[in-house]
Amino acid sequence: GAGVSQSPSNKVTEKGKDVELRCDPISGHTALYWYRQSLGQGLEFLIYFQGNSAPDKSGLPSDRFSAERTGGSVSTLTIQRTQQEDSAVYLCASSADGLAGYNEQFFGPGTRLTVL
Amino acid sequence: AQKITQTQPGMFVQEKEAVTLDCTYDTSDPSYGLFWYKQPSSGEMIFLIYQGSYDQQNATEGRYSLNFQKARKSANLVISASQLGDSAMYFCAMRGVLSGGYNKLIFGAGTRLAVHP
Repeated sequence: GAGVSQSPSNKVTEKGKDVELRCDPISGHTALYWYRQSLGQGLEFLIYFQGNSAPDKSGLPSDRFSAERTGGSVSTLTIQRTQQEDSAVYLCASSADGLAGYNEQFFGPGTRLTVL
Repeated sequence: AQKITQTQPGMFVQEKEAVTLDCTYDTSDPSYGLFWYKQPSSGEMIFLIYQGSYDQQNATEGRYSLNFQKARKSANLVISASQLGDSAMYFCAMRGVLSGGYNKLIFGAGTRLAVHP
């Protein structure tokens, strides 16, 4: 079956521009996560969606970052007024049920964002 | 707060040999889960193995096994019979009930494994 897909795979933008990153989770997965992987660093949690519940936004680094999930499926991560420190790989993951601790998260290929 | 420590930035192993990648963790959660992921150069994170804190036995998945020592708070990954395709970054990760909940994974810095022929 299809895995998690993300688009675009690469995005180069100028400082100050807004960008939108898209994630299509595995069909039927109720939980969706966004992470950021900066060069030379581990993965950093950004935001989590579980079904129709309010998202956990505790990992978003600033109010320039926002995300939505429409219809419980596709998610869009938006970064406004991008800064050079936003350059990273943005990874999306989904799991069958975010409430069960043993459920592994399946990751997409990521979007590499470069802010010039 | 939860923390994952991977002290080996890089490791190498001869093909067909076994290798152990270290992972220690710090948590006050009574219940938590530990994961290992592989990240090849393509960038995609691939789930390898899971260990629950209350599991009595060490987890195994094919050539992967997890050496779980709860009292020492360690969850080392053992790869047996290494293959060239095992060359990748390996991340240890954890999530717990109290510290952030099951809704996020806390990752270590990773270990880069190189398998030599």
